[in-house]
Amino acid sequence: TQLLEQSPQFLSIQEGENLTVYCNSSSVFSSLQWYRQEPGEGPVLLVTVVTGGEVKKLKRLTFQFGDARKDSSLHITAAQPGDTGLYLCAGAGLGGSNYKLTFGKGTLLTVNP
Amino acid sequence: DAGVTQSPTHLIKTRGQQVTLRCSPISGHKSVSWYQQVLGQGPQFIFQYYEKEERGRGNFPDRFSARQFPNYSSELNVNALLLGDSALYLCASSLAPRGSGANVLTFGAGSRLTVL
Repeated sequence: TQLLEQSPQFLSIQEGENLTVYCNSSSVFSSLQWYRQEPGEGPVLLVTVVTGGEVKKLKRLTFQFGDARKDSSLHITAAQPGDTGLYLCAGAGLGGSNYKLTFGKGTLLTVNP
Repeated sequence: DAGVTQSPTHLIKTRGQQVTLRCSPISGHKSVSWYQQVLGQGPQFIFQYYEKEERGRGNFPDRFSARQFPNYSSELNVNALLLGDSALYLCASSLAPRGSGANVLTFGAGSRLTVL
């Protein structure tokens, strides 16, 4: 069974601060995706990382996939209240099992003005 | 273009009842997946359907079933409801069940089921 451990589970910071969310597993994934979910909504895809060591930037968000494709991190620079939400990492299995995403429990981020 | 649409958005059932949840994928998407998200947890995979066939099933009891129609819409059925079935049920669509790089899912807003 593939498991993804996300940390921290809760994070409350002030506007302008930086933060990093971690997603770790003992399993190798073919790809890893990061989603943001707001109350009453479904998860919205932020980024997909596929290659070990890959780094992707989306404005103030930086995503990194570990060299061994077992872990990932999300770094937000100068957080804003609009960044508030539940951040989920999700890994796709290898080969024929990549249809299924295994999600972490999420990190609930609150950015206070 | 419309995204993934789900109905109903909210519903309340009592233990032992049965429920049917519906999902319409993005136009052109042939694959539909169902996930269960219990409060405070990440989504958990239930089923994937592609071209009307079940392509994957998660660790859920036989009380959970689903099907996909010729127009690629899908229904999730849950029989003999338990209190623990209370959750947000998410439907996601994608172009194909397996991609060369990653299976990119687009999620609907979900159906919030409360079992009393």
